[in-house]
Amino acid sequence: DAGVIQSPRHEVTEMGQEVTLRCKPISGHDYLFWYRQTMMRGLELLIYFNNNVPIDDSGMPEDRFSAKMPNASFSTLKIQPSEPRDSAVYFCASSASGGARETQYFGPGTRLLVL
Amino acid sequence: SQKIEQNSEALNIQEGKTATLTCNYTNYSPAYLQWYRQDPGRGPVFLLLIRENEKEKRKERLKVTFDTTLKQSLFHITASQPADSATYLCAPVFSGGYNKLIFGAGTRLAVHP
Repeated sequence: DAGVIQSPRHEVTEMGQEVTLRCKPISGHDYLFWYRQTMMRGLELLIYFNNNVPIDDSGMPEDRFSAKMPNASFSTLKIQPSEPRDSAVYFCASSASGGARETQYFGPGTRLLVL
Repeated sequence: SQKIEQNSEALNIQEGKTATLTCNYTNYSPAYLQWYRQDPGRGPVFLLLIRENEKEKRKERLKVTFDTTLKQSLFHITASQPADSATYLCAPVFSGGYNKLIFGAGTRLAVHP
């Protein structure tokens, strides 16, 4: 099992540009989560999906952020337009079910720097 | 709103000693609590889960306690090794929270030879 796959691993862009982060969850997992991690705010949940449907997007900071999950094996997180304060590490995670006992498996993260 | 507090200062201990990390939470009553380990440049990795009706859970050199009265969980690593150096995150979970984890800021542990 390859685990959760994220791409790119590093992204450097200029303010105002569109950024798209990609995630492939573990095969068979029904839940997919997007997190953002910064030194100031720690690890924050942005949005999560169940069976490709967004369930809770209350953590999405603003309208510049959007996430999609067109099928069970692929999700994107898009920032348009990007701003320097979006610089962070973005993690994707998946779990087999939504139960509180379920482990979440994290990808390696995408380190985003917006200049 | 829910609040989770972990030791903000790094914990430095000598190899072979027991490391104890604290996780305090307020304003809610989680049914479960998960602990994760995060190494620099990598995503968090699950370590242990404890239920509210369990006082203690063990896995090899790891031990977790959960005191719902004190609203606190303690994470112990016995016979610590330099390889245990990492950041440890706690994440209380609602029973009806559909696995929506709210993570603490984490405590960085450094085990010195």
